[in-house]
Amino acid sequence: EVQLVESGGGLVQPGGSLRLSCAASGFTFSSSWMHWVRQAPGKGLVWVSRISSDGSSTSYAESVKGRFTISRDNAKNTLYLQMNSLRAEDTAVYYCASQMRALPFYWGQGTLVTVSS
Amino acid sequence: QSALTQPASVSGSPGQSITISCTGTSSDVGGYNYVSWYQQHPGKAPKLMIYEVSNRPSGVSNRFSGSKSGNTASLTISGLQAEDEADYYCSSYSSTSTVVFGGGTKLTVL
Repeated sequence: EVQLVESGGGLVQPGGSLRLSCAASGFTFSSSWMHWVRQAPGKGLVWVSRISSDGSSTSYAESVKGRFTISRDNAKNTLYLQMNSLRAEDTAVYYCASQMRALPFYWGQGTLVTVSS
Repeated sequence: QSALTQPASVSGSPGQSITISCTGTSSDVGGYNYVSWYQQHPGKAPKLMIYEVSNRPSGVSNRFSGSKSGNTASLTISGLQAEDEADYYCSSYSSTSTVVFGGGTKLTVL
């Protein structure tokens, strides 16, 4: 059974940093491209970032470019999202997802990030 | 990276069919067959219902179908059931090597 379990969310002050993790199991993580998608409270889904299976290729939404960094450790079957210079508008549930045919497929249950003073 | 355009809400009675549209541009929906649809119930993670415009993952009911014409993709749900009531999102691969989602459509089963 595919499982994606996010962790690392919490309350952080504006300008602060947070690192999210996504532990994967039940599929060949090292062969899968992965995504981060977020959803602000009561709002829609917004794509954040994507990383290739070997970590050599990454892409970001304009709204997070230069502030967020996606990475992975295939030996640990774990995906990461390093978030710096956080803003109130980054408040959201962050989901990790495996990719199928260029787009998110299996999704984790999400972790809530709240940026507030 | 403008969001794809979906109707905010649609509704239908049990047993009826509904269609949700998803309009993009030639740089996303119209340019690729990488269009997916997701179902999200309140407080839950999204679930993939359709990928590559019209393909259903294993386990998804054949009451769900997808299509595309030009820059507009569509999700049709036939034989509406109470459990279909949820939010639905489309997404597409984009020419900038990014992914774009629609704003979401709330489906109400009357």
